[in-house]
Amino acid sequence: AQSVTQLDSQVPVFEEAPVELRCNYSSSVSVYLFWYVQYPNQGLQLLLKYLSGSTLVKGINGFEAEFNKSQTSFHLRKPSVHISDTAEYFCAVRLLYSGAGSYQLTFGKGTKLSVIP
Amino acid sequence: GAVVSQHPSWVICKSGTSVKIECRSLDFQATTMFWYRQFPKQSLMLMATSNEGSKATYEQGVEKDKFLINHASLTLSTLTVTSAHPEDSSFYICSATGSGTGELFFGEGSRLTVL
Repeated sequence: AQSVTQLDSQVPVFEEAPVELRCNYSSSVSVYLFWYVQYPNQGLQLLLKYLSGSTLVKGINGFEAEFNKSQTSFHLRKPSVHISDTAEYFCAVRLLYSGAGSYQLTFGKGTKLSVIP
Repeated sequence: GAVVSQHPSWVICKSGTSVKIECRSLDFQATTMFWYRQFPKQSLMLMATSNEGSKATYEQGVEKDKFLINHASLTLSTLTVTSAHPEDSSFYICSATGSGTGELFFGEGSRLTVL
């Protein structure tokens, strides 16, 4: 079975500072990787995804992530955060296979990013 | 991107009553929908997977008779919490995917409070 670990439950950072949110995964088969953002009392919005190709993936709102197969990591980064980036961020994996349930995601526990003015 | 809408976004009910939450794909046909439950400050836990026209597949530990899922059309899935109790209070989120999209789209979530 696959699993996702987000080591940091909370990350406070000052406005305009860079940030990295860590994500490591475990799976016996190849996976797709995703980062989602959740604002209070809202659903999830896709930030970016890695399916194949370049290991550096750029997403919305200035975020990017790098897939590292040897370290089984998919860390999320932003060079300069804004107040509006304050939210919960979830890393997720999806198994690379077809069939019923192939779109099922396994989520990490989330990292709450708090941007301090 | 595609839009998935949930209704209601907030619901408060008395213990013992049943509550229905709707999940609609507004601009695509959702062949598969997923229902998640999210406890405060925790991640999403998959409750069940439903394919249009088929019975839902429930995750281990999820009571089928308590959380009734219906996916009768390609644009609508419903989750009915039957005989709700305070411990059922939670944030319920649906997601949907269409054939060939390769991506999940999430609803805005529905917060259920059982008094």
